[in-house]
Amino acid sequence: GAGVSQTPSNKVTEKGKYVELRCDPISGHTALYWYRQSLGQGPEFLIYFQGTGAADDSGLPNDRFFAVRPEGSVSTLKIQRTERGDSAVYLCASSLTAGGRYEQYFGPGTRLTVT
Amino acid sequence: DQQVKQNSPSLSVQEGRISILNCDYTNSMFDYFLWYKKYPAEGPTFLISISSIKDKNEDGRFTVFLNKSAKHLSLHIVPSQPGDSAVYFCAALNAGGTSYGKLTFGQGTILTVHP
Repeated sequence: GAGVSQTPSNKVTEKGKYVELRCDPISGHTALYWYRQSLGQGPEFLIYFQGTGAADDSGLPNDRFFAVRPEGSVSTLKIQRTERGDSAVYLCASSLTAGGRYEQYFGPGTRLTVT
Repeated sequence: DQQVKQNSPSLSVQEGRISILNCDYTNSMFDYFLWYKKYPAEGPTFLISISSIKDKNEDGRFTVFLNKSAKHLSLHIVPSQPGDSAVYFCAALNAGGTSYGKLTFGQGTILTVHP
């Protein structure tokens, strides 16, 4: 079946602009996750949803970052007043979180460049 | 505070030989561990996982070993193949906690398998 998809694959924006990154999880997966990966580092947790609600948003770096999942499927990560330090690959993942299995399945990522 | 560490940035192995990738963690609350493989311009791909109630899990050419007392795990790939060349990430979570969706990743190890 189809995996996790993310759009756009690349986004270049100017400092101070607003951006939205979209994630389509695997059909039937109830949990959805956002991570950020900088060059030479492992992915860093941002937020995860169980259904429509944010179960843990402790990884969001500041209030410029916000994510929604209004119908429990597609999610949008929103970044206001972008800064050059926001440049990274933003990864989305989804999972079933059932039966004691915790594997998360990742999309290809959105590469965000803030100029 | 790096709670999951992969101290070897890179590893080079001959085709057919064993590859051993290592990972250390500091958070004693971690009780579920995963290995991911990542090719350039793709998202991480789940390889294998292990619960803290086990000390070994095997799946084909991949075996993960967990030493809880040492807070150390390793991934063995036997035999190694050129297609295994990728970045390997170790990740951990607290499955028994309230935020079981939060994966903490190591920095990654670049594996190169030479023909």
